Amino acid sequence: ETGVTQTPRHLVMGMTNKKSLKCEQHLGHNAMYWYKQSAKKPLELMFVYSLEERVENNSVPSRFSPECPNSSHLFLHLHTLQPEDSALYLCASRRWGGTDTQYFGPGTRLTVL
Amino acid sequence: GQQLNQSPQSMFIQEGEDVSMNCTSSSIFNTWLWYKQDPGEGPVLLIALYKAGELTSNGRLTAQFGITRKDSFLNISASIPSDVGIYFCAGQGSGGSNYKLTFGKGTLLTVNP
Repeated sequence: ETGVTQTPRHLVMGMTNKKSLKCEQHLGHNAMYWYKQSAKKPLELMFVYSLEERVENNSVPSRFSPECPNSSHLFLHLHTLQPEDSALYLCASRRWGGTDTQYFGPGTRLTVL
Repeated sequence: GQQLNQSPQSMFIQEGEDVSMNCTSSSIFNTWLWYKQDPGEGPVLLIALYKAGELTSNGRLTAQFGITRKDSFLNISASIPSDVGIYFCAGQGSGGSNYKLTFGKGTLLTVNP
């Protein structure tokens, strides 16, 4: 499935750096999601945007800041992260409402030193 | 919150064998989904189930939505090496929570040629 793309695919950053993750969907969807996937844990929902408005912030620390400028693009701005934030960050999209399901991007493997 | 119990956690099988994995929930879902994740990639949707009792196939994969709406299974017949990966179940709720998925922890499948 290449309908959802994520860049970069890999990112190594220090705890004082600021970086951004980008997600783009080409499926005509209007809802986008950020997930965190750590080893041996279920996928953790971080943020949900519907029609460019944030509808869910799942108790995520403020060092993660999402941005959804339009229905096709989603960003996750990162600053002063901790080593335990190292994980695979997945973006997903779907058509809001109904039973349509989510389609995932390939993820960004983030390592915080 | 809702929790999914997915089992087994891992499986080691020989090529050609059949595989079965399942998920149970403490609460009802309106949609059950099965995803597969290859190393370094995002989850890819395999099968979506929308009605209690529904049995759906996708090639060598067969999945069923339990009558109680609290469980689902996935079968893979005549496994091949490319079936290797992590398989996740996910449940989607109804009404105001239908935009969220609850994921199991995954079943790691290894296929020996």
